[in-house]
Amino acid sequence: DAGITQSPRHKVTETGTPVTLRCHQTENHRYMYWYRQDPGHGLRLIHYSYGVKDTDKGEVSDGYSVSRSKTEDFLLTLESATSSQTSVYFCAISEPQETQYFGPGTRLLVL
Amino acid sequence: GENVEQHPSTLSVQEGDSAVIKCTYSDSASNYFPWYKQELGKRPQLIIDIRSNVGEKKDQRIAVTLNKTAKHFSLHITETQPEDSAVYFCAASEGKLVFGAGTILRVKS
Repeated sequence: DAGITQSPRHKVTETGTPVTLRCHQTENHRYMYWYRQDPGHGLRLIHYSYGVKDTDKGEVSDGYSVSRSKTEDFLLTLESATSSQTSVYFCAISEPQETQYFGPGTRLLVL
Repeated sequence: GENVEQHPSTLSVQEGDSAVIKCTYSDSASNYFPWYKQELGKRPQLIIDIRSNVGEKKDQRIAVTLNKTAKHFSLHITETQPEDSAVYFCAASEGKLVFGAGTILRVKS
């Protein structure tokens, strides 16, 4: 597996609380992505980054923000978690126009 | 934007038989088509990919075909084995990947 870690791996939180998920890579890949995975929907892109401090929205970005202050770290923040954000979150990395490699995932439960 | 449809949603085959999963895409600018395999509780892992300048690619028991005119591509697994049981996702990209909804493949021994 590519050098990608995610933390935490599991989290239970309450509606209305802020949550930050971290993705860390040791591959020095330029692109980083956040996806959510829900039954029947496959993987849907939340946000992505094409360089330090360069980010853009994906197809399901509402309620999420991201930051990338270093090449190796990409943070996903849920400002005020809702039950609809209960999901499995995957980070991925790639070089431009190249294969994406996924992290191990974070299971988030919002009560 | 791009839209990817994947069929069937579930597929059961007998061990040793072949399995075929089909995907269609909408954006003619898409030029990269990977396939991922995801086992229960694990991350998606790339099993094969194809670019738009190639019509077919094979890797041992796995092959992918691409028809750019019809905008569809397919995954073929021959001589299926129980360890092939997993969820398979297709995707299409003209910069960002858009995934199909997935196919649950069950190989019965």
